[in-house]
Amino acid sequence: DVVMTQSPLSLPVTLGQPASISCRSSQSLVYSDGNTYLNWFQQRPGQSPRRLIYKVSNRDSGVPDRFSGSGSGTDFTLKISRVEAEDVGVYYCMQGTHWRTFGQGTKVEIK
Amino acid sequence: EVQLVESGGGLVQPGGSLRLSCAASGFTFSSYWMSWVRQAPGKGLEWVANIKQDGSEKYYVDSVKGRFTISRDNAKNSLYLQMNSLRAEDTAVYYCAGSTVTRDYWGQGTLVTVSS
Repeated sequence: DVVMTQSPLSLPVTLGQPASISCRSSQSLVYSDGNTYLNWFQQRPGQSPRRLIYKVSNRDSGVPDRFSGSGSGTDFTLKISRVEAEDVGVYYCMQGTHWRTFGQGTKVEIK
Repeated sequence: EVQLVESGGGLVQPGGSLRLSCAASGFTFSSYWMSWVRQAPGKGLEWVANIKQDGSEKYYVDSVKGRFTISRDNAKNSLYLQMNSLRAEDTAVYYCAGSTVTRDYWGQGTLVTVSS
């Protein structure tokens, strides 16, 4: 099974400052079709998860452009350029190359 | 407006069964892979099962293989999860989710509690 490891697991941030979450997979996420199926999800307190990023770096419809994804192979990053209050929640990376596996989640809170 | 509405959750004894349903509207259900994802209380997300648009392919996490069955009825825009031989560790909020490469929708979830 593919293991997804996120860091940090807790991320206190100052409003208006950038934030970065790392996600590493135990094996390459490059699929046979050449695509890399690495997604990022946001789960605000008391809400259902919401996909933010698909295939490493593509923002879903309605996702603010302060969110960006990058990476390749086994190392991936979600960045928030300037954190806003509504960004508080837990962020999960998820690989869809070798079935589906989520990372443990990173809790983003305001300092 | 896109909606995914789960139902069928509740309290069940260990070894018992439940059938979850998910009613979809606001999008072309038959064009989407559909999934069940669960979240144990205070824990992270776990993908449980998914099913191809025409139902021809189904996949399960190892911990539920042989106990859970995912199915869909495209004529009724509905997704199902038959859960048998339930265990305490199956206690979770179960989310219904639909996705294509560029679209991804989630329901509000239904709570399943397995306890005597």
